[in-house]
Amino acid sequence: GDSVTQMEGPVTLSEEAFLTINCTYTATGYPSLFWYVQYPGEGLQLLLKATKADDKGSNKGFEATYRKETTSFHLEKGSVQVSDSAVYFCALSVTQSGGSYIPTFGRGTSLIVHP
Amino acid sequence: ETGVTQTPRHLVMGMTNKKSLKCEQHLGHNAMYWYKQSAKKPLELMFVYSLEERVENNSVPSRFSPECPNSSHLFLHLHTLQPEDSALYLCASSQDLLGQGAFEQYFGPGTRLTVT
Repeated sequence: GDSVTQMEGPVTLSEEAFLTINCTYTATGYPSLFWYVQYPGEGLQLLLKATKADDKGSNKGFEATYRKETTSFHLEKGSVQVSDSAVYFCALSVTQSGGSYIPTFGRGTSLIVHP
Repeated sequence: ETGVTQTPRHLVMGMTNKKSLKCEQHLGHNAMYWYKQSAKKPLELMFVYSLEERVENNSVPSRFSPECPNSSHLFLHLHTLQPEDSALYLCASSQDLLGQGAFEQYFGPGTRLTVT
């Protein structure tokens, strides 16, 4: 079946440090890839997405590139802020027979940014 | 109201109680989802409704019963729960367009459920 593997956290950084959170996937078919973020006490919200190979998703200084050859979708940010402290989820979605899209999520990676 | 709303935000119930969680989406989407989020566990997909029909049920115990009366509303009926059912229950919606690619999900804030 489909699966998403994320690096285990927590990831602890100082403000303005460079961030990478690794994500690799296995999927039957041609998935769309997503990063979601969950701030304390809230639900998940979409951070960025990519729907085909070599696409780069970006938002709020975060970027991730869909790498089909390495089945990866690593999340990066050049300079993190304390307000980026949250849990980050990598996810994929593949068309099922009949056309519905069943998503698969990684376990989440907690990011803690210190001033 | 905008986005996806969930009520109640917090719920404490005994093992013999019956309660319901409500989710409403104001986005015009045609698919809705229930997830269970427990500490130190992966996000668990419980139920998926597309065009008001259930398309996925990941072997969830029968003490959880979903209901989707229309494309904007989703309920999760709870009865005779166990303490291990304590978790954050998240609702999400998305727009599924057949053959046009997978679309992102929009999540509500969740209901924090405690079973005593």
